[in-house]
Amino acid sequence: GENVEQHPSTLSVQEGDSAVIKCTYSDSASNYFPWYKQELGKGPQLIIDIRSNVGEKKDQRIAVTLNKTAKHFSLHITETQPEDSAVYFCAASIWRGYKLSFGAGTTVTVRA
Amino acid sequence: DTEVTQTPKHLVMGMTNKKSLKCEQHMGHRAMYWYKQKAKKPPELMFVYSYEKLSINESVPSRFSPECPNSSLLNLHLHALQPEDSALYLCASSQPGGGGPVAGELFFGEGSRLTVL
Repeated sequence: GENVEQHPSTLSVQEGDSAVIKCTYSDSASNYFPWYKQELGKGPQLIIDIRSNVGEKKDQRIAVTLNKTAKHFSLHITETQPEDSAVYFCAASIWRGYKLSFGAGTTVTVRA
Repeated sequence: DTEVTQTPKHLVMGMTNKKSLKCEQHMGHRAMYWYKQKAKKPPELMFVYSYEKLSINESVPSRFSPECPNSSLLNLHLHALQPEDSALYLCASSQPGGGGPVAGELFFGEGSRLTVL
């Protein structure tokens, strides 16, 4: 089955700096890569996703890049703010499949 | 605010109790999911319903019994649980396609935090 590795496990950044989280996947059939943000005491929330037919997608301060050849994808958060502090999970699946394979998560702390 | 509503938010039960977790969504999604999440871990898939029929059971013990009364509701019945079943139980929904469930674009609820004594 699919195996998703996520790094780093924790990330501390100064407010205003950028944060980058990297994930690798094993199954070349995976073609859908969402990112979820989970704040303390809440459920995961989809923040951005990318499909394998594009290499980059951006939504305001958040961007995701995908390298299908190398089987890795990354989340970039620019101009970080305290409200960006949360646990971030990457995931991979086959579009219209039933199962998301999650990474282990990255705890991001934005220092004021 | 999430459009997937879960109740109760917190539940404490003994090992001999019978309780239920409830989930409701009004986005017209026809695929609904139960996930279990332990502290500092990613969600783990338990069950998938597609068009109100159980599509996937990820080898979950029978002390967890899912039910999908209609396209908007999903229940998880709990009986004879163990302390190691204490976790955050997340409901999610998505729009299926081609007659099957779609894992992409999952919408999660806030979860029900279960403690088994």
